[in-house]
Amino acid sequence: GNSVTQMEGPVTLSEEAFLTINCTYTATGYPSLFWYVQYPGEGLQLLLKATKADDKGSNKGFEATYRKETTSFHLEKGSVQVSDSAVYFCALSQRNAGGTSYGKLTFGQGTILTVHP
Amino acid sequence: GAVVSQHPSRVICKSGTSVKIECRSLDFQATTMFWYRQFPKQSLMLMATSNEGSKATYEQGVEKDKFLINHASLTLSTLTVTSAHPEDSSFYICSGSLYNEQFFGPGTRLTVL
Repeated sequence: GNSVTQMEGPVTLSEEAFLTINCTYTATGYPSLFWYVQYPGEGLQLLLKATKADDKGSNKGFEATYRKETTSFHLEKGSVQVSDSAVYFCALSQRNAGGTSYGKLTFGQGTILTVHP
Repeated sequence: GAVVSQHPSRVICKSGTSVKIECRSLDFQATTMFWYRQFPKQSLMLMATSNEGSKATYEQGVEKDKFLINHASLTLSTLTVTSAHPEDSSFYICSGSLYNEQFFGPGTRLTVL
């Protein structure tokens, strides 16, 4: 079956530090890969996604590249801010039989990020 | 972006009672909605997939008679936890699917005493 493994947290950084959160996956076929962010007291929000090998998803200064050879989708940001403090989830999904929509999501365990001023 | 709401945000109930949680897509029609459970410091676990007008599809190990799901319209799905027990205490999250993306509600914290 499908699975997603994230680096364990919590991760604590100072403002403007470089961030990497590792994510590796196991899946059959060619899944789509996602990073979701959950700010305190809020629901999950899609941060970025990549649908095929070598695609790079990016948003709000965050980036992740779909690496099929290493089955990885590591999240990076060059300079974090206090407002980036949240829980980050890596996830994958596979298209349904018709290939027209994403199926159910499989999540990693989440990584808590705390950024100090 | 598309907005999903959940009600209530928090609920405390006595053991043996039933609790209903509503999930609404506010500005889009969600043919498919998903229900997740999130334990403290753990990932989201998919409980069931809910399709409008049909029976929900439950994941392995999820008791369909305990977690009743109704998706009566394109904007509303409900999860009823029947005869709740303390081990059912958790954070329940729903999502609605639109254009190949899932939009998540803010979650409902259930505490069973």
